[in-house]
Amino acid sequence: EAGVTQFPSHSVIEKGQTVTLRCDPISGHDNLYWYRRVMGKEIKFLLHFVKESKQDESGMPNNRFLAERTGGTYSTLKVQPAELEDSGVYFCASSQVSGGYGYTFGSGTRLTVV
Amino acid sequence: GQNIDQPTEMTATEGAIVQINCTYQTSGFNGLFWYQQHAGEAPTFLSYNVLDGLEEKGRFSSFLSRSKGYSYLLLKELQMKDSASYLCAVRDLGSNSGYALNFGKGTSLLVTP
Repeated sequence: EAGVTQFPSHSVIEKGQTVTLRCDPISGHDNLYWYRRVMGKEIKFLLHFVKESKQDESGMPNNRFLAERTGGTYSTLKVQPAELEDSGVYFCASSQVSGGYGYTFGSGTRLTVV
Repeated sequence: GQNIDQPTEMTATEGAIVQINCTYQTSGFNGLFWYQQHAGEAPTFLSYNVLDGLEEKGRFSSFLSRSKGYSYLLLKELQMKDSASYLCAVRDLGSNSGYALNFGKGTSLLVTP
């Protein structure tokens, strides 16, 4: 089966611009998670979708970040306007059930804000 | 936070055994995960412990003691390809949705000839 796909793999944008990251989960996985790793820090949870609903968005840093999952398939994470501290690697993961241990991660999008 | 601590770096010799430790604090422990991540790639699942004891899977084993808030990942017969970052992650019912993972900073393992 195809894994979790993220696009783009790299993005370099200027401060104040908008960037949209996309994640395609494994087909049939209702649960989709966004995580972020900034330089020198641990991978941190951003939010969790169950199908098209936001189960938990407690990790979203501020209102410049907007995540959507229309139709319960792929998800987008938009940063508008981007700031320098938003630079990092954004990972997406999906799982079939909310519990268990079957989380599959994508390779991430490396975002650099200059 | 979950105060997940693991060593920053470790070095070991090809063919040897290495143990990577992880300590954590949670309010509602619901599983501990180990992932392997090569540079620029996705974290890949290695092991999952929810009960105390040792889980063995080929060259990799993981141990958990819930009362001590402690886990270790044991890698045997090290190969050069095992050079990677090893991530300890805990699922905590007392934080966020209870289904998200809380990660340590990772241990960068270098395997030398």
